[in-house]
Amino acid sequence: ETGVTQSPTHLIKTRGQQVTLRCSSQSGHNTVSWYQQALGQGPQFIFQYYREEENGRGNFPPRFSGLQFPNYSSELNVNALELDDSALYLCASSLSVGTEETQYFGPGTRLLVL
Amino acid sequence: GQNIDQPTEMTATEGAIVQINCTYQTSGFNGLFWYQQHAGEAPTFLSYNVLDGLEEKGRFSSFLSRSKGYSYLLLKELQMKDSASYLCAVDSNSGYALNFGKGTSLLVTP
Repeated sequence: ETGVTQSPTHLIKTRGQQVTLRCSSQSGHNTVSWYQQALGQGPQFIFQYYREEENGRGNFPPRFSGLQFPNYSSELNVNALELDDSALYLCASSLSVGTEETQYFGPGTRLLVL
Repeated sequence: GQNIDQPTEMTATEGAIVQINCTYQTSGFNGLFWYQQHAGEAPTFLSYNVLDGLEEKGRFSSFLSRSKGYSYLLLKELQMKDSASYLCAVDSNSGYALNFGKGTSLLVTP
């Protein structure tokens, strides 16, 4: 148990739809990172938020967007869903920015796009 | 670019020792993480190496050679519950992103 929770656990959408995934960070953590993990692959970094501001972004198109709230919970929004967006979406919280800070992962949301 | 390589699959016997290797070529380097991920679950932190050498933590040890771009995770006295995917992740000093390898799926057999 890392204290990081995500909702929903599973989701099925169709191409072109929009989806919002939610993450609640571990208590005291002000930094959250989102990752996409396709089947049989390692997690791929999407973006990171620190104190409600985007702190860095990976190689994902603008239809992937996020928010972090004052209580440090976070959302990942994906517009115009494509079949290749089917994956496990993981959020990870850390005590602060800096990649030396250990990231604690939530259980993930498994998204299937049909 | 970032290139992180791990073997795709390994099999070992309960009670044995297994070494999972990771080689990396990245544009920067701060340190290297190892995570364990059971099927359908979140990755869980195992170790973080910054300096060269071996760090031991119970049955698990992790080694780093910065000059060779090489790390390994050593699992001793294997148990059935150690069957999982082991992810090598490089902290490439971007300030925010970890770069993960594809993971090594370890199967422990009786």
